[in-house]
Amino acid sequence: NAGVTQTPKFRILKIGQSMTLQCTQDMNHNYMYWYRQDPGMGLKLIYYSVGAGITDKGEVPNGYNVSRSTTEDFPLRLELAAPSQTSVYFCASLGDTEAFFGQGTRLTVV
Amino acid sequence: GESVGLHLPTLSVQEGDNSIINCAYSNSASDYFIWYKQESGKGPQFIIDIRSNMDKRQGQRVTVLLNKTVKHLSLQIAATQPGDSAVYFCAPEALNFGKGTSLLVTP
Repeated sequence: NAGVTQTPKFRILKIGQSMTLQCTQDMNHNYMYWYRQDPGMGLKLIYYSVGAGITDKGEVPNGYNVSRSTTEDFPLRLELAAPSQTSVYFCASLGDTEAFFGQGTRLTVV
Repeated sequence: GESVGLHLPTLSVQEGDNSIINCAYSNSASDYFIWYKQESGKGPQFIIDIRSNMDKRQGQRVTVLLNKTVKHLSLQIAATQPGDSAVYFCAPEALNFGKGTSLLVTP
C-alpha cells in the first residue's frame, strides 16, 4: 500500500515556465488537498477536492489550477511560475479521521 | 475562516521530561481535531485525534486534552525523547493548520 505519492521530489523552474505537480493515492479516499509550506511556516491550503470531478479553492489558490478526473489523481498546475511560488508543496488525502500526506515537492522558481 | 494559533512557537525540553504543546482555535463548530508531527524534510504524520464530545484521549506516550469552554487543545508527550524533536501542528478536520510549535529535545 503506497499511500500518497508525489512527484517530482525536487524541481527548479524559471520565471514564466509551467509545470504540473503530480499526486496519486491508492486508498480510495474521496477528499484530497494541496498545501504549500513556506520556511518556518505552517501549511496553507491551495485547493481541495471532495471527489472526482469536484474541486474548490482553499486559502491561497491564485497562480494554481487543479483537476480531479479520477479518485486516485489530483494534479496541481502552475501556469506562469513566479518567485513567490517557491515553496514545499504537500498533497494529502483524508481517510475516516486521518489525513495522509505525501513526502512533498520542493519547488524553486528563479 | 477558521483561526488556529499556537501559543509557543518553540519549546525546548530535556530528554526524559514531559512536554506540553498548546493550541487555540476559534471555530466552536469544529467536530474533531488532529495533532500532526512534522520532522525536518518530511510531510506531516498523524499522532492522535480527539472528537468534540471528548475532553481527553490517550495514546502511546501522548495525551490530548480538549477544553471547549476556552477553545483550547494541548498535546502532552511523556518522557520526551530525541526522536520527538519536530514541529507539531493541531488542525480541525485536517483543513486548517496553524503555524506549528517546534519541539527541541536536548540530551
